Amino acid sequence: NAGVTQTPKFRVLKTGQSMTLLCAQDMNHEYMYWYRQDPGMGLRLIHYSVGEGTTAKGEVPDGYNVSRLKKQNFLLGLESAAPSQTSVYFCASSYSGAANYGYTFGSGTRLTVV
Amino acid sequence: GQQVMQIPQYQHVQEGEDFTTYCNSSTTLSNIQWYKQRPGGHPVFLIQLVKSGEVKKQKRLTFQFGEAKKNSSLHITATQTTDVGTYFCAVGSSNTGKLIFGQGTTLQVKP
Repeated sequence: NAGVTQTPKFRVLKTGQSMTLLCAQDMNHEYMYWYRQDPGMGLRLIHYSVGEGTTAKGEVPDGYNVSRLKKQNFLLGLESAAPSQTSVYFCASSYSGAANYGYTFGSGTRLTVV
Repeated sequence: GQQVMQIPQYQHVQEGEDFTTYCNSSTTLSNIQWYKQRPGGHPVFLIQLVKSGEVKKQKRLTFQFGEAKKNSSLHITATQTTDVGTYFCAVGSSNTGKLIFGQGTTLQVKP
C-alpha cells in the first residue's frame, strides 16, 4: 500500500519548456489536490479534483493545467515553464472533500526552472 | 478568502524545553487540522480539532482549539531532536472548501 506516489522527484527545466507531473494514489480516494510550497509561503492550492473527470481551480492556478482521466491519477501540467514556477510540488488525496478529513501527501517533486 | 496566521515563524529551543505554536483566524472556524513536515519531507497529518475548547493529546503533543473557535495551539512538552520540522495548521477555505495552510512554524532543537 504505497499511498500517494509522485513522479518525478526532481526536475530541472529551461524557461519555456513543458512538463507533466504525475500523482497516483491507491487508497480509492475521490479527492485529489496539487499544492506548491515556497519558503515562507506555506502550501498553496493550485488545482483540485472532486472525482474522475472533474477539475477545479485553487488559489494559484495560473500557468498550470490538470487532468483526472482516471480516479487514481491526477496530472499537473506546465505548458511553458517560468522561473516563478520553481517550487516544491505536493500532491495530496483525501477521503472527503469537506476539509474535515486529513490529507495524505506524496513525497513531492522539486522543480527548478532556469 | 479564509486566511490563518501562524506564529512564530521560527523557534529555536534547547532539547528538553517546551515549544508552542499558535494559529489565529479572524473568522470562526468549523475545524482545524495540524500537520508536521520533517526537513526534506512531506506534510503528515497529525490531528483534527472540531469542538470549541477541545483539547487532545498525543504523547508529548497537546493540541487546543479556542473557545471561540478562532484560534488553536500546538504545545510540545520537553522537546526532543525528533521533534525538528515545520508544523502547519490548516483550515477549510471559504472559497473552495479545501484546506488552506498557515505559513508554518519551523522548530529547531539543539541537543
